[in-house]
Amino acid sequence: EPEVTQTPSHQVTQMGQEVILRCVPISNHLYFYWYRQILGQKVEFLVSFYNNEISEKSEIFDDQFSVERPDGSNFTLKIRSTKLEDSAMYFCASSEQAGVYTQYFGPGTRLTVL
Amino acid sequence: DQQVKQNSPSLSVQEGRISILNCDYTNSMFDYFLWYKKYPAEGPTFLISISSIKDKNEDGRFTVFLNKSAKHLSLHIVPSQPGDSAVYFCAASAGSSGSARQLTFGSGTQLTVLP
Repeated sequence: EPEVTQTPSHQVTQMGQEVILRCVPISNHLYFYWYRQILGQKVEFLVSFYNNEISEKSEIFDDQFSVERPDGSNFTLKIRSTKLEDSAMYFCASSEQAGVYTQYFGPGTRLTVL
Repeated sequence: DQQVKQNSPSLSVQEGRISILNCDYTNSMFDYFLWYKKYPAEGPTFLISISSIKDKNEDGRFTVFLNKSAKHLSLHIVPSQPGDSAVYFCAASAGSSGSARQLTFGSGTQLTVLP
């Protein structure tokens, strides 16, 4: 069964450093998303991406964040200058097509900012 | 932001019995609802969904009921199995049919099925 994959599974970084989290969505899916879950809190939407541009972003997704689909398979989330409060699980998700709203999630990347 | 609420942080049931997980929402624009199951250190796994044009959707042991007037949905698992023990998240979405829709999640309910 096709699945969303994410790398790395765990990333440790120093405050102020840049990190790139990588995702490979399900191959025939057209819509891509990033969510995060801070320990003990809800899963929160960050950004959605379709047709090589951002569709929607939350207020969490400020200028420190960016997304990119550099090729036909990868979808990346970049945090330019990490803060302690960026420590969280980051989940990538994808959905198939217009009118199909089910999103399939990857296993997540645990980001720890020291 | 409490648009989607799961008021029971935990639920314990005996193996073989019914598990009922509840979810309430406040945003009347939500028109699609989903249940996800999550194990520790894994991503949410899709279980079942329902559109607002329906009031029930069934898939094997899982049934989701939607009461739009009460802005309430529930997930029934019958019969419950020990492998069902996990955190269950309710999620909802709104928007146009062609758009990428964000999901708004509840806080989750930890289900424990006792053998």
